[in-house]
Amino acid sequence: DQQVKQNSPSLSVQEGRISILNCDYTNSMFDYFLWYKKYPAEGPTFLISISSIKDKNEDGRFTVFLNKSAKHLSLHIVPSQPGDSAVYFCAAIGAGGTSYGKLTFGQGTILTVHP
Amino acid sequence: GAVVSQHPSWVICKSGTSVKIECRSLDFQATTMFWYRQFPKQSLMLMATSNEGSKATYEQGVEKDKFLINHASLTLSTLTVTSAHPEDSSFYICSAGVGTDQPQHFGDGTRLSIL
Repeated sequence: DQQVKQNSPSLSVQEGRISILNCDYTNSMFDYFLWYKKYPAEGPTFLISISSIKDKNEDGRFTVFLNKSAKHLSLHIVPSQPGDSAVYFCAAIGAGGTSYGKLTFGQGTILTVHP
Repeated sequence: GAVVSQHPSWVICKSGTSVKIECRSLDFQATTMFWYRQFPKQSLMLMATSNEGSKATYEQGVEKDKFLINHASLTLSTLTVTSAHPEDSSFYICSAGVGTDQPQHFGDGTRLSIL
């Protein structure tokens, strides 16, 4: 049972444009969400997170939006750069958990940014 | 800060060999570390939660006797794949939390290939 889903396996964007990566979850007990970026043969690198008490969190070119009623979150990257090309994972932590909580990952979305 | 080091990065060995993977938090203490496994083009799947000074908590379907976890100190957790077989070939990644409301940080992973 996939509790965190990234339904788009891949996304291709032109440099300078906006990249929007989507993530859906089914477990209403999740209350903390994270986005990680991963290159082949490397561990994931933390990008940005959002608590369920917020609906938006922004950090430079990265903004995460959370729609609790729809159980949906998205990562916006603007402007997109070729160096952003990587696999992006959405992850969630259950209620009452802190960073020590168990992460449940989505399947990942391969982002390719073309020059 | 918040560097997690994982060693080795790549292991190739014969079937039946036991392989030990180390995960170290270099600049912080981690009472809890997590071990994940990733198959090609799939999500990271949590295998177990490693607790300093106590037994690891394994996820459903993960063989405790196959994947031995030891968390002997606040900066080191080890995963030993015992009597490894080709189906154990995978990418293993560890992570650790720095503190409350801080994201988990990941090691760079270990690619295990069993011949």
